Amino acid sequence: RKEVEQDPGPFNVPEGATVAFNCTYSNSASQSFFWYRQDCRKEPKLLMSVYSSGNEDGRFTAQLNRASQYISLLIRDSKLSDSATYLCVVNVQDNYGQNFVFGPGTRLSVLP
Amino acid sequence: NAGVTQTPKFQVLKTGQSMTLQCAQDMNHNSMYWYRQDPGMGLRLIYYSASEGTTDKGEVPNGYNVSRLNKREFSLRLESAAPSQTSVYFCASSPDTQGVYSNQPQHFGDGTRLSIL
Repeated sequence: RKEVEQDPGPFNVPEGATVAFNCTYSNSASQSFFWYRQDCRKEPKLLMSVYSSGNEDGRFTAQLNRASQYISLLIRDSKLSDSATYLCVVNVQDNYGQNFVFGPGTRLSVLP
Repeated sequence: NAGVTQTPKFQVLKTGQSMTLQCAQDMNHNSMYWYRQDPGMGLRLIYYSASEGTTDKGEVPNGYNVSRLNKREFSLRLESAAPSQTSVYFCASSPDTQGVYSNQPQHFGDGTRLSIL
């Protein structure tokens, strides 16, 4: 099983829609969780950290479910500018030692 | 405010050639990281440095070496490039000295696109 898995994409949604992504992780000892966005041929940029109690930043809400080992990202009122690939990042202990593991990403296209 | 700067942005090498990818950050961060990103895969950690003078292997270190020259600079060297090392390389930094144990987010450079023929 892969360390970090994400919803397969692409997600094509109309402008104004609400869309949610999930990310599951296999290591129960993971402590750090983040969502990054990556535009085509650009570097990843931090969208938000994910805290145990859940957190919100404008139209974006991140939640952590430790019992089920997943994190989620909810985007409300989608904008065209939200089109990007969303990467979840988890800090894990794996065969190589402690590591930041990036999910493969979920691609979102917001359509006019 | 430049953040994390990587040079070069593009490079084409022949198999067996060597080269060094440069990375510098001006945010006074302690931890620095090198990743590679291949199509359909997440970023994979090559090496990291939790503080000046220390370096540690990540998930995919084979074929690479690194040098933490000072607090600002962290270079990645390919001694004998192979086609399997064709990738996009990202350098990143984070504020604390925890390296991969960090709870702090990372700031990325805009990448080096490397092709090895």
